[in-house]
Amino acid sequence: SQKIEQNSEALNIQEGKTATLTCNYTNYSPAYLQWYRQDPGRGPVFLLLIRENEKEKRKERLKVTFDTTLKQSLFHITASQPADSATYLCALVGDDKIIFGKGTRLHILP
Amino acid sequence: EAQVTQNPRYLITVTGKKLTVTCSQNMNHEYMSWYRQDPGLGLRQIYYSMNVEVTDKGDVPEGYKVSRKEKRNFPLILESPSPNQTSLYFCASSLRRLAKISSYEQYFGPGTRLTVT
Repeated sequence: SQKIEQNSEALNIQEGKTATLTCNYTNYSPAYLQWYRQDPGRGPVFLLLIRENEKEKRKERLKVTFDTTLKQSLFHITASQPADSATYLCALVGDDKIIFGKGTRLHILP
Repeated sequence: EAQVTQNPRYLITVTGKKLTVTCSQNMNHEYMSWYRQDPGLGLRQIYYSMNVEVTDKGDVPEGYKVSRKEKRNFPLILESPSPNQTSLYFCASSLRRLAKISSYEQYFGPGTRLTVT
């Protein structure tokens, strides 16, 4: 069955450093991959998407890579700030279905 | 303001008492979806709808019903709620079906926290 894993439940990063989150998947060939941010008690908010034929996508301090051979996406936040603390979800999209990972709780330490 | 609204935001009910959670979007989106979010299990899709009168099962549809009579509304119905349906529910919408050719981000509602005793 399809499986999607995000590397860790929680990640602590010092302010100013780059935070890197990992999303791995198996038994699936998604058309594209999305990343969302979720704050406690709120709905996820879309950040970026990357298609299967794209290697990298950037948006301000965010960068996403997508390696369909390794079946892996990396999500980077450069120059991290305490306001970046949240849970980040990756989601695989193929045809009409979307599968979410369980998320990684990121804490940026001042 | 473009948004997805859900009502109620919080609900405590008893086993077997039918309930409906409403979802409405004002963005003229074709695709709408319901998710539940549980600790350790993440977001799981319950049902989705690609357009009016078109609905389909997601990964965890048992115990739920949906309808899509109008483009803007997509209510979630629990005919006979049970304690294992205690969860945080999210409605989401997207401009278009999440097809291979075109893809659009999903906009999520604020969530409905449901407790079934």
